[in-house]
Amino acid sequence: NAGVTQTPKFQVLKTGQSMTLQCAQDMNHNSMYWYRQDPGMGLRLIYYSASEGTTDKGEVPNGYNVSRLNKREFSLRLESAAPSQTSVYFCASSELGDEQYFGPGTRLTVT
Amino acid sequence: GENVEQHPSTLSVQEGDSAVIKCTYSDSASNYFPWYKQELGKRPQLIIDIRSNVGEKKDQRIAVTLNKTAKHFSLHITETQPEDSAVYFCAAPESGGSYIPTFGRGTSLIVHP
Repeated sequence: NAGVTQTPKFQVLKTGQSMTLQCAQDMNHNSMYWYRQDPGMGLRLIYYSASEGTTDKGEVPNGYNVSRLNKREFSLRLESAAPSQTSVYFCASSELGDEQYFGPGTRLTVT
Repeated sequence: GENVEQHPSTLSVQEGDSAVIKCTYSDSASNYFPWYKQELGKRPQLIIDIRSNVGEKKDQRIAVTLNKTAKHFSLHITETQPEDSAVYFCAAPESGGSYIPTFGRGTSLIVHP
């Protein structure tokens, strides 16, 4: 089992460009999450999907959109990237109220 | 929503010493308390967790204790080793049906050989 996979691993964008971060899990989990990690700020929730067909905002959703494509896949889109979105992005999956499994992360730089 | 505070933000110990990291939470109905370890450049991974029906859980050199009355839980690492150096995160879920976890801001543990 691959667990949780993310693409790309690294990305550099110019201000105003758009991109989609992809995430997939093969553990048949119902819930999936997108976090951003900045120094000293811990893991902050951007969006989550409690089950296939539902998505909800987390703590820091502004500037992002998500799509739960099917049970396995949950993508995060930046429509117009800003320098404040420079961060490391982690996707995770779990059953509700249980251990979270994280992907390897995407390091994004916006210049 | 859930509010999780984690202390200290940095902890420096000598190899062989013990380390204790504490988290407090606000939602008295929370029932699942995990601890994650994140090595430099890697993803967070679960190292131990505890549910609200027990007060302590041990796994070799690590243990977690839970005080539901005071709404805090702690990670204990004994006989620390250099490979324990990492950032540790606690989390507590909202209980209002979403069970979405809120993470603490992390503790950077440095174990000096």
